[in-house]
Amino acid sequence: DIVMIQAPLSLPVTPGEPASISCRSSQSLLQNKKYYFLDWYLQKPGKSPQLLIYLGSRRATGVPDRFSGSGSGTDFTLRISRVEAEDVGVYYCMQALQIPRTFGQGTKLEIK
Amino acid sequence: EVQLVDTGGGVVKPGASLRLSCAASGFTFNTAWMSWVRQAPGKGLEWVARIKSNNDGGTADYAPPVRGRFTISRDDSENMLFLQMNSLKTEDTGVYYCSTDVGNSVDFDHWGPGTLVTVSS
Repeated sequence: DIVMIQAPLSLPVTPGEPASISCRSSQSLLQNKKYYFLDWYLQKPGKSPQLLIYLGSRRATGVPDRFSGSGSGTDFTLRISRVEAEDVGVYYCMQALQIPRTFGQGTKLEIK
Repeated sequence: EVQLVDTGGGVVKPGASLRLSCAASGFTFNTAWMSWVRQAPGKGLEWVARIKSNNDGGTADYAPPVRGRFTISRDDSENMLFLQMNSLKTEDTGVYYCSTDVGNSVDFDHWGPGTLVTVSS
């Protein structure tokens, strides 16, 4: 199984400041020499997870453009250009290359 | 509006069985691949199982910890997804979410509110 490692696990951020979360996979998530099969999810407190980014860098419908995904090979990053109060929650990366799907441990973003 | 409502959770003893259900509406269920994802108390997300549409073969895949004990199935005539859980273990405790297939590389992502399964003696 592909192992996903996130850092940091806790991320206190001042509103208006940028934030970034790193995700590393145990093998390359590149398929067809074109797409990176890496998704980002946000689970807000008490809620079900929601998709933010798929295929490494594509924003899901309704996701604000302050969220962006990047990366290649085995190293990926989720960036929030200016954190807002509504962004609090736990962020997960997930590899979509193989079955079983595997998630990172989660990064808890909190407002300072 | 797309809606997924997962039900069937409860408190059972180790070794018991439980069947989760997920009622889907607002989209063409019979063409959708569907998943179950779970979350142990205070822990992260864990993918459990996936079932393809019958048009794509209807085959199922499972996470290693549940393979041989859990069975995912669907009833397209009723727009229902199921998870039959047998030989339950304490480590199966958690919230189980029904979702459209995670990692399907398309912008179609919907989750149920989750149903709590507690396995305890």
